[in-house]
Amino acid sequence: DTEVTQTPKHLVMGMTNKKSLKCEQHMGHRAMYWYKQKAKKPPELMFVYSYEKLSINESVPSRFSPECPNSSLLNLHLHALQPEDSALYLCASRSAWVGASDTGELFFGEGSRLTVL
Amino acid sequence: AQKITQTQPGMFVQEKEAVTLDCTYDTSDPSYGLFWYKQPSSGEMIFLIYQGSYDQQNATEGRYSLNFQKARKSANLVISASQLGDSAMYFCAMREGTYNQGGKLIFGQGTELSVKP
Repeated sequence: DTEVTQTPKHLVMGMTNKKSLKCEQHMGHRAMYWYKQKAKKPPELMFVYSYEKLSINESVPSRFSPECPNSSLLNLHLHALQPEDSALYLCASRSAWVGASDTGELFFGEGSRLTVL
Repeated sequence: AQKITQTQPGMFVQEKEAVTLDCTYDTSDPSYGLFWYKQPSSGEMIFLIYQGSYDQQNATEGRYSLNFQKARKSANLVISASQLGDSAMYFCAMREGTYNQGGKLIFGQGTELSVKP
């Protein structure tokens, strides 16, 4: 079982809807990520939170709004999406510091499969 | 410029045979890490194996081994005794430096492996 839990697993929404994706981890990790992945393509980085502060925003459109309410929880708020935003959204976490015994491996959730009609 | 290159979009292997998935990388940072992830059709990214740039020996994890050739900047994944459950997308990824310096995990384009009975 994955230690990063994402809900919902599937989401269908219209272009005028507002919805949210949720990600939770209880491994004590202080860095959390959102990736977007299209079919048969590599994951594309969207946002990184480090110690609950946004550290990387890869020029993502404002219709995607991330939020990190605490060290275990990461949300992605969705509003006025386009059909081309349909994709698998992956959440990941890692230890905040890479040391001699820490590879910096990302732990991924199973993803939320989003369809925008 | 592409920093991680996987030149095999798709590969077939007979069950119980070994298979090598190619990965080359490009970096000028002396400190980096290389990862392989497996992604079945369910969507979850599963960590397989890690190689640090200063590691003297090639990494091994069960049936997975990493053929690390530093001078050639290659980090090929070898799967021994393929099983039907190995059919999946495989991604090579690189971490430059440490995340503390703002480093990211960069993914290659992936190789889709199909294991034939």
